[in-house]
Amino acid sequence: SYELTQPPSVSVSPGQTARITCSGDALPKRYAYWYQQKPGQAPVLVIHKDSERPSGIPERFSGSSSGTTVTLTIIGVQAEDDADYYCQSADSSGHYVLFGGGTKLTVL
Amino acid sequence: EVQLVESGGGLVQPGGSLRLSCAASEFTFSSYDMHWVRQAAGKGLEWVSGIGSAGDTYYPGSVKGRFTISRENDKNALYLQMDSLRGGDTAVYYCARGFGVSSGQFSYGLDVWGRGTAVTVAS
Repeated sequence: SYELTQPPSVSVSPGQTARITCSGDALPKRYAYWYQQKPGQAPVLVIHKDSERPSGIPERFSGSSSGTTVTLTIIGVQAEDDADYYCQSADSSGHYVLFGGGTKLTVL
Repeated sequence: EVQLVESGGGLVQPGGSLRLSCAASEFTFSSYDMHWVRQAAGKGLEWVSGIGSAGDTYYPGSVKGRFTISRENDKNALYLQMDSLRGGDTAVYYCARGFGVSSGQFSYGLDVWGRGTAVTVAS
């Protein structure tokens, strides 16, 4: 079955750059989306269509794609970025939606 | 403000049924694909179902045949009928809007989320 694979955890100090990867065979053919989720809250879309940033999302968030891997990059991490991050995409049909397992970003 | 508000969660016995509702406001509901996503306590996000603006429906294998997604565009409402519930269905269930006005291709990015409604399946 198709899967999206993320590292379980990433740790960075404030002001550093955090990179969270997501790998999946269909990613060259399907857009990826990234969500931030803080405890007790609903997820928030932070990147759409691989690299586009919705309005209201800080410029330090960016996304990129290369082959079967997409990457969420946060430049100049702030304490408020401490959260879980999920990538999401679909299979080759575009009708089966799935999420990566999530990455816990810890700001040290 | 664009908003989604879920309701209908609660405690149900294994094998029982529950119907979740999602009330949409401040956008043209009929023009968007819609989804349900769930999250068990301490776990990740799991897509549960999606419905296109034309009423086409999609499910993962874990709920296919047990869950039914539907919509009433004139009421700006999304529903999830859940039958034959199991302990593994215990989770917070979120309603979410597909990214962008429907263009004929199923929109699986989710740009607006509700706050969720909790479902507990236990005896």
